[in-house]
Amino acid sequence: DVKVTQSSRYLVKRTGEKVFLECVQDMDHENMFWYRQDPGLGLRLIYFSYDVKMKEKGDIPEGYSVSREKKERFSLILESASTNQTSMYLCASSSRGNQPQHFGDGTRLSIL
Amino acid sequence: QKEVEQNSGPLSVPEGAIASLNCTYSDRGSQSFFWYRQYSGKSPELIMSIYSNGDKEDGRFTAQLNKASQYVSLLIRDSQPSDSATYLCAVNPGTGFQKLVFGTGTRLLVSP
Repeated sequence: DVKVTQSSRYLVKRTGEKVFLECVQDMDHENMFWYRQDPGLGLRLIYFSYDVKMKEKGDIPEGYSVSREKKERFSLILESASTNQTSMYLCASSSRGNQPQHFGDGTRLSIL
Repeated sequence: QKEVEQNSGPLSVPEGAIASLNCTYSDRGSQSFFWYRQYSGKSPELIMSIYSNGDKEDGRFTAQLNKASQYVSLLIRDSQPSDSATYLCAVNPGTGFQKLVFGTGTRLLVSP
């Protein structure tokens, strides 16, 4: 089975802090994704990566950056956290081709 | 803009009934289609993939795809209270990178 592991289930940070969310997958998948999910807004893509050191902006990249130094790890960085970044953050991975994405358990992030 | 539309619900069915969830998509070139189940506070879990016209069955679940009419549906037979969740439809538009376009989900309530 595919295993996508996110470093924290719950996280509380303060405004202005730099926040790191980590995601690791164990299936040698090429593609990795970061989403946020808010009530009524569905899943929104923040960033994705199709190879090591490659990254592409999704639909809502403002205020975020990412890093992919190794194939199995994809990090999401909130450069200066703000209260409107309070959300559920979901990492996913997939192999190339018309394959589904597999999600981690999510990180519920609260910015105070 | 590529879109995936779902009725938000809630769809209420009694235990033992068939639940029918529908999804339409705008991009005629879409290649692959997925159904995810998401329990409240949890991450999406892949339950069905379908790639060609027709029906695909897996246990109590049947996915139906009609590319000419641009819709995909999920039937859940013998619905159980444990099936109560939000069901997300996801479509791979088939152009360029393998991003998925997600619907906002249909909430299913199965009453005992």
